[in-house]
Amino acid sequence: DAGITQSPRYKITETGRQVTLMCHQTWSHSYMFWYRQDLGHGLRLIYYSAAADITDKGEVPDGYVVSRSKTENFPLTLESATRSQTSVYFCASKAGLNTEAFFGQGTRLTVV
Amino acid sequence: RKEVEQDPGPFNVPEGATVAFNCTYSNSASQSFFWYRQDCRKEPKLLMSVYSSGNEDGRFTAQLNRASQYISLLIRDSKLSDSATYLCVVNLPSGSARQLTFGSGTQLTVLP
Repeated sequence: DAGITQSPRYKITETGRQVTLMCHQTWSHSYMFWYRQDLGHGLRLIYYSAAADITDKGEVPDGYVVSRSKTENFPLTLESATRSQTSVYFCASKAGLNTEAFFGQGTRLTVV
Repeated sequence: RKEVEQDPGPFNVPEGATVAFNCTYSNSASQSFFWYRQDCRKEPKLLMSVYSSGNEDGRFTAQLNRASQYISLLIRDSKLSDSATYLCVVNLPSGSARQLTFGSGTQLTVLP
């Protein structure tokens, strides 16, 4: 189906483990984003990408790594998970500079 | 100062009421503006774009005031189903992409 999908939807991992959250979009949108949302807080930008092989840090990049070898995929890796990274992670994509973004359904990550 | 500021609410209004939300942004170079709706930490969904001339979609009206750097959302004849968090979103020029920067959201509860 067309759209933007995230996997897994739910993940529990242990402190210190590496975990990768996947994001896939079928629109060939140039721009992709990763946000995290903590209880009682708004969306905070982790990383974004303007095109394949172009990524930039957002507001809260520490502890995260991204790659974008293909336009349609934008995985987010937590190199060594910490409890403070327990959150809901949203991936988003948009077609152009000034266009609206569309969001995946989110991944609820719990680090124990 | 936050780049996008919203009154967090909560706004509790009876069914049928008219309610208005305002949002201010700090970067005068911002190019595009949106209102999103988010239910119970699900993914944000586009409610409407905001144009300089103002725009209306059914019971919803959005306005942009570039001189004062604020946008507004008016909801008429509120329904129970309008209960949600409303996010003001601004496209800020930054690096290789225009980042979508989110306000912290305004919580609306429509009461029967």
